[in-house]
Amino acid sequence: SQTIHQWPATLVQPVGSPLSLECTVEGTSNPNLYWYRQAAGRGLQLLFYSVGIGQISSEVPQNLSASRPQDRQFILSSKKLLLSDSGFYLCAWSEPLGGQPQHFGDGTRLSIL
Amino acid sequence: QKEVEQDPGPLSVPEGAIVSLNCTYSNSAFQYFMWYRQYSRKGPELLMYTYSSGNKEDGRFTAQVDKSSKYISLFIRDSQPSDSATYLCAMRGGTSYGKLTFGQGTILTVHP
Repeated sequence: SQTIHQWPATLVQPVGSPLSLECTVEGTSNPNLYWYRQAAGRGLQLLFYSVGIGQISSEVPQNLSASRPQDRQFILSSKKLLLSDSGFYLCAWSEPLGGQPQHFGDGTRLSIL
Repeated sequence: QKEVEQDPGPLSVPEGAIVSLNCTYSNSAFQYFMWYRQYSRKGPELLMYTYSSGNKEDGRFTAQVDKSSKYISLFIRDSQPSDSATYLCAMRGGTSYGKLTFGQGTILTVHP
């Protein structure tokens, strides 16, 4: 069966520091991968998606970037964090065929001080 | 106007009640409809996934889609305290990468 792992579960960072969040998927090949952010009391906002190694599409211009160095690895990064980057970050995957649902990891809660 | 509207609640019901959760949408391109359950400090968990108009049942859960009215529902029968969570509706068009548009989520509490 497929599993998705995200780490760390929680992170507290000072303003201006760099960020690296990692997500890996097991049990599937060539998945579509996604990064979402969830603000308190709000729905999920898609940040980035990837349909293959090195292929990244950005949905929202911001202080963040994403990379996919391996088939089942997705990384969310920032060079300098802003206070507004605080939130709950979720990674998700879906099968590459059209019409498949997305499955989420347990997220990283990021607090910027 | 948001593409997907969902009443955030909160909704509080007694154990054993039938719960009805709803979303409306405005984008006719949406073809696939999902319901996710999210416990506090956890990621969303897929509950139901439907494509066509009509009903889909899975245990105590029934998903209903009415594309003509742009309205989807999730019914929970014999609700349990363990059903207490935030319920998110989500939908997408037919593109291969599958961008989801989410509702705001409804907070549900089932009290014993």
